[in-house]
Amino acid sequence: LAKTTQPISMDSYEGQEVNITCSHNNIATNDYITWYQQFPSQGPRFIIQGYKTKVTNEVASLFIPADRKSSTLSLPRVSLSDTAVYYCLVGDILNNDMRFGAGTRLTVKP
Amino acid sequence: DAGVIQSPRHEVTEMGQEVTLRCKPISGHDYLFWYRQTMMRGLELLIYFNNNVPIDDSGMPEDRFSAKMPNASFSTLKIQPSEPRDSAVYFCASSPIWGRNTGELFFGEGSRLTVL
Repeated sequence: LAKTTQPISMDSYEGQEVNITCSHNNIATNDYITWYQQFPSQGPRFIIQGYKTKVTNEVASLFIPADRKSSTLSLPRVSLSDTAVYYCLVGDILNNDMRFGAGTRLTVKP
Repeated sequence: DAGVIQSPRHEVTEMGQEVTLRCKPISGHDYLFWYRQTMMRGLELLIYFNNNVPIDDSGMPEDRFSAKMPNASFSTLKIQPSEPRDSAVYFCASSPIWGRNTGELFFGEGSRLTVL
């Protein structure tokens, strides 16, 4: 069971780039790395998923080093609406491992 | 697609009463998950199903909790009898499987349960 460690909270300002790092030292060969965003009173929402190197989509980038023991979610030019809790999930459905960690509470200030 | 649909959105009940939460997954998704979220314990996985069969229920807190998935389009999470410590937001999520791309969960809006 790959456990994850994330900072409990982060603060940023509008327009800045935000990088949230997740440590997962015990990641298994088959595990993917998935990031979710959760706003108050809503369910978590998928942001991005990767296995290795770099993945980019319209909202974020995910950087995964060669050893895969950590990953970094990068949010470019955040706005107030990006204030949310961000979860790093490391696992694979086929290995019965879809458990969330504590998440990082990101607060974007004007 | 309408997404994962949960009901009720809010439920207030008294200790000892039976509570039934319902979930309709996204059509075609093979996996269904039940999570519970509280401030103290965060987002906890309770149980999940694959093709309507329970695969892992190790997260179910105790015998008062039970979950069923009688068909591919419906699941229930039942608490009997309910206790104040069961107060939480219960999320249902579903997921497709394709190739090796796993782990994308689609969550419902949640059911907020308050047990007095």
